[in-house]
Amino acid sequence: KNQVEQSPQSLIILEGKNCTLQCNYTVSPFSNLRWYKQDTGRGPVSLTIMTFSENTKSNGRYTATLDADTKQSSLHITASQLSDSASYICVVSAVNDMRFGAGTRLTVKP
Amino acid sequence: EPEVTQTPSHQVTQMGQEVILRCVPISNHLYFYWYRQILGQKVEFLVSFYNNEISEKSEIFDDQFSVERPDGSNFTLKIRSTKLEDSAMYFCASSERAGGTYEQYFGPGTRLTVT
Repeated sequence: KNQVEQSPQSLIILEGKNCTLQCNYTVSPFSNLRWYKQDTGRGPVSLTIMTFSENTKSNGRYTATLDADTKQSSLHITASQLSDSASYICVVSAVNDMRFGAGTRLTVKP
Repeated sequence: EPEVTQTPSHQVTQMGQEVILRCVPISNHLYFYWYRQILGQKVEFLVSFYNNEISEKSEIFDDQFSVERPDGSNFTLKIRSTKLEDSAMYFCASSERAGGTYEQYFGPGTRLTVT
């Protein structure tokens, strides 16, 4: 069954610190993996998109990695800011299927 | 910067009533999507739409749901007879192309409350 699991469920860090969020998936056949940021009550906003052949992609302070062999991805946030407080959602697509993870709720405190 | 818009932002309806949720995708986009997110749960794919027809739909998208692009700019989701469990945030999204690395842009959502 195609599934996406994210960890941790929630995370609290201090402003300026780094953090890494994890995504494991069983979606097959793999097409692409996306990380989204979702502020409370808003629509998701795309951070990165990776296909099978890509193993790292950066977008400012966000860096995503993909290991297609182990079916794992991570999102690393550098020098966190208060505005990074949000849910981060991993979305994995197969050819005719798109699965959302439950998200990691990140809180950045001053 | 172009963005996807949705109306209304919040809709309250009684069980059994029909609701229509409206979306205006980004103007040069060709692919349109609806998703829903029940409070505290994952975002779930409902349906994708291209060239005036449904291209994919999930098991959630049953006969109670329908989509339409009535006038070339709006994209609507209709729920014929709402149930309590239809209460959720409904997101519209659009993309220039489908699949691969084409980004989907999400609207701000419509919160549907069925009483």
